[in-house]
Amino acid sequence: AQTVTQSQPEMSVQEAETVTLSCTYDTSESDYYLFWYKQPPSRQMILVIRQEAYKQQNATENRFSVNFQKAAKSFSLKISDSQLGDAAMYFCAYRSGASYTGANSKLTFGKGITLSVRP
Amino acid sequence: EAGVAQSPRYKIIEKRQSVAFWCNPISGHATLYWYQQILGQGPKLLIQFQNNGVVDDSQLPKDRFSAERLKGVDSTLKIQPAKLEDSAVYLCASSRTGVGFGYGYTFGSGTRLTVV
Repeated sequence: AQTVTQSQPEMSVQEAETVTLSCTYDTSESDYYLFWYKQPPSRQMILVIRQEAYKQQNATENRFSVNFQKAAKSFSLKISDSQLGDAAMYFCAYRSGASYTGANSKLTFGKGITLSVRP
Repeated sequence: EAGVAQSPRYKIIEKRQSVAFWCNPISGHATLYWYQQILGQGPKLLIQFQNNGVVDDSQLPKDRFSAERLKGVDSTLKIQPAKLEDSAVYLCASSRTGVGFGYGYTFGSGTRLTVV
């Protein structure tokens, strides 16, 4: 079974600064997807960024980028120019790429990290 | 595109009572998931539907939890009888399937259940 580990329960960053959130995972699969989700107090999970395991290039979405180290099974999220609206819980998640028909498509989440942004 | 709708938003019940949650996924999304998120933890899959059939319910406590998805659209999740440890946020999510759709889901805002 796949596992996702987020060992930092909380982090804090100064507004406009850069912060990196860590995530490691364990899997025996070679085809999979990794995600970072943001969960504000409204509770709705919002997709921040995704990475396909077969792609060597790290994904980037505006101020958000990842450092994907497949051999080390590491998937960290870097937030640049942090804004007050970035304050939320962030979850790292894994999805098997083994099936496109729905089976094995569940997300396995880490425990999450609470990010606070200081003005 | 309308999002995933869930109701109620909050629910407080006494232990041993029953409760039901409702989810309406995004139109055209064949796969529907129910996740349980206990405070301070990441969401855990309870059950996954593909159209109106169950794909994975290995983590569903079947002695007290049940779920159905009629006509492959809306879904309900029921707990009977509730226990204190069922206090959590129940998230519904839906996704498309098929080649090219191997990315993320759309989540609803969840139902926060408190069992007292």
